Amino acid sequence: GESVGLHLPTLSVQEGDNSIINCAYSNSASDYFIWYKQESGKGPQFIIDIRSNMDKRQGQRVTVLLNKTVKHLSLQIAATQPGDSAVYFCAERGYRGSTLGRLYFGRGTQLTVWP
Amino acid sequence: DSGVTQTPKHLITATGQRVTLRCSPRSGDLSVYWYQQSLDQGLQFLIQYYNGEERAKGNILERFSAQQFPDLHSELNLSSLELGDSALYFCASSVDTESEKLFFGSGTQLSVL
Repeated sequence: GESVGLHLPTLSVQEGDNSIINCAYSNSASDYFIWYKQESGKGPQFIIDIRSNMDKRQGQRVTVLLNKTVKHLSLQIAATQPGDSAVYFCAERGYRGSTLGRLYFGRGTQLTVWP
Repeated sequence: DSGVTQTPKHLITATGQRVTLRCSPRSGDLSVYWYQQSLDQGLQFLIQYYNGEERAKGNILERFSAQQFPDLHSELNLSSLELGDSALYFCASSVDTESEKLFFGSGTQLSVL
């Protein structure tokens, strides 16, 4: 099975609060990580990515934190809005038996934002 | 809009049949990836093409095949369909072969009855 997993399958937050979505990975050789947002009926939408030589990267209202020591990835969303409601996936780029890396996706966390 | 176009959006067919899913990558992207998304398996990588050539294979069944054409669009062929093949099939594209910043299409929902 996939090595990327999520601590919580669902997360409910109130509008305006900050959200934190967590992701664990098991392959210490993974060198690149990415977060996607998938709204109902749509394809996964790129949010933010980070390389393994970094521990933090910020985007617009989003921050990704990478802790290689414990193999943990998190996505922080500031001032969560109803439009942020979606399933969030993390993915790692691994090289299992191949020189060509590919993305391995976690199962996803359903984020629900309440007004 | 990701710039990746998939057709058709929905496909309903019967067991034993064959279908073709089509994907046009973002302008300038040379790699095309196919993923299958089901409730119990999540997003599963099927196959990757780069500039017309197969680059990587994942959990793709022998009944499934794909190709990328000179104009870089790709087709995923699913044959001898089974009920368990019902799923969302996504195409994604990227600039190169490094599996970074994949941009996904809206998917084709396949229902096998």
